[in-house]
Amino acid sequence: AQSVTQPDIHITVSEGASLELRCNYSYGATPYLFWYVQSPGQGLQLLLKYFSGDTLVQGIKGFEAEFKRSQSSFNLRKPSVHWSDAAEYFCAVGRSNDYKLSFGAGTTVTVRA
Amino acid sequence: EAQVTQNPRYLITVTGKKLTVTCSQNMNHEYMSWYRQDPGLGLRQIYYSMNVEVTDKGDVPEGYKVSRKEKRNFPLILESPSPNQTSLYFCASIAQGAPNTGELFFGEGSRLTVL
Repeated sequence: AQSVTQPDIHITVSEGASLELRCNYSYGATPYLFWYVQSPGQGLQLLLKYFSGDTLVQGIKGFEAEFKRSQSSFNLRKPSVHWSDAAEYFCAVGRSNDYKLSFGAGTTVTVRA
Repeated sequence: EAQVTQNPRYLITVTGKKLTVTCSQNMNHEYMSWYRQDPGLGLRQIYYSMNVEVTDKGDVPEGYKVSRKEKRNFPLILESPSPNQTSLYFCASIAQGAPNTGELFFGEGSRLTVL
């Protein structure tokens, strides 16, 4: 069975600073990898996904993530955060045979002025 | 517009009173799933369905039932709700074909409180 670990429960970052959220997964085959964002009181929105090919993936809102097979990681980055990036971020790993996704516990990002 | 619609969005009920949360999608997806979200635990899968009349347990199925009589609908049933089922519930349908293979499309969530 697959699993996902997001080591950071909460991160505080200044507006304009860079952001990196960590995600480590456990899965025997090549996974499908996703990052979702949830703003307060809202549903989940897909930021980006990795299925195959280029290991650096670009997403919406200026986010990118890099798949590193050797480290079983899929870290999310943004060069310069905006106050509107304050949200909870979830990493998820899926498998191709039945599309079952497992989610990490989430990282809450606070942006200070 | 591609949508997953859940109802009700908010519900307060009492222990033991049966309730159903409906979920409907308009994308003709075969795969659908229910998750619950609890602080510090992320999203955990309750049940999923790979097609009409095909359902299977996820990671936390106890106390829940589902049915899949038609492709677009996937209701979640709590036969006898208990306070530990107080949570935020999400329904999702899953794209199977490119370019969105494996991507979940989420409903807006249903916040359930069981007193």
